Amino acid sequence: AQKVTQAQTEISVVEKEDVTLDCVYETRDTTYYLFWYKQPPSGELVFLIRRNSFDEQNEISGRYSWNFQKSTSSFNFTITASQVVDSAVYFCALSSGGSQGNLIFGKGTKLSVKP
Amino acid sequence: EAQVTQNPRYLITVTGKKLTVTCSQNMNHEYMSWYRQDPGLGLRQIYYSMNVEVTDKGDVPEGYKVSRKEKRNFPLILESPSPNQTSLYFCASSLTGTGTVLGYTFGSGTRLTVV
Repeated sequence: AQKVTQAQTEISVVEKEDVTLDCVYETRDTTYYLFWYKQPPSGELVFLIRRNSFDEQNEISGRYSWNFQKSTSSFNFTITASQVVDSAVYFCALSSGGSQGNLIFGKGTKLSVKP
Repeated sequence: EAQVTQNPRYLITVTGKKLTVTCSQNMNHEYMSWYRQDPGLGLRQIYYSMNVEVTDKGDVPEGYKVSRKEKRNFPLILESPSPNQTSLYFCASSLTGTGTVLGYTFGSGTRLTVV
């Protein structure tokens, strides 16, 4: 069975703090893809990153960074020097080669960044 | 501009009155899918389509129908809506439907309220 767990339901930080959003996944497939999406208060889903299972390199994009560790089945997301505009719900998702393209989402982490 | 277009964005309807939420993509994607988002549950797949005339149930298909008569369109039909179908709905598309995921494009969402 495939599953994505985001154990943190809500996180509240003060602006300029660093924050890490956790994501743990389960799959028996050797080929799979991991995603992070941002959902701001306006409701749309904003794609942040896609990572395939054969690429364990960490990725940095501006204030955002992602740590993919197959050994612990985790794909954590860190925001450095958080800003109020980072306030949103963040979803981690998993899709594998044998799943007919089904994208399995975690339940999301609501991040509130206070000024 | 490559996009997935959902209509309407907002809809309030009464129990039992049939409705259709449209979804159209302009990227010649084979794979299309519908999700519903509910508080605390994340996004759950309703139906998906690997290609024209090929559809299958996702995790929560009860009360919904879909059709895929042409590649670009994938409407979601609620024959007899009930209040428990009040939710935020997303349509998504992806290039391939063979399980090789190259990324998903999401529509802007449809917020449905059934009273």
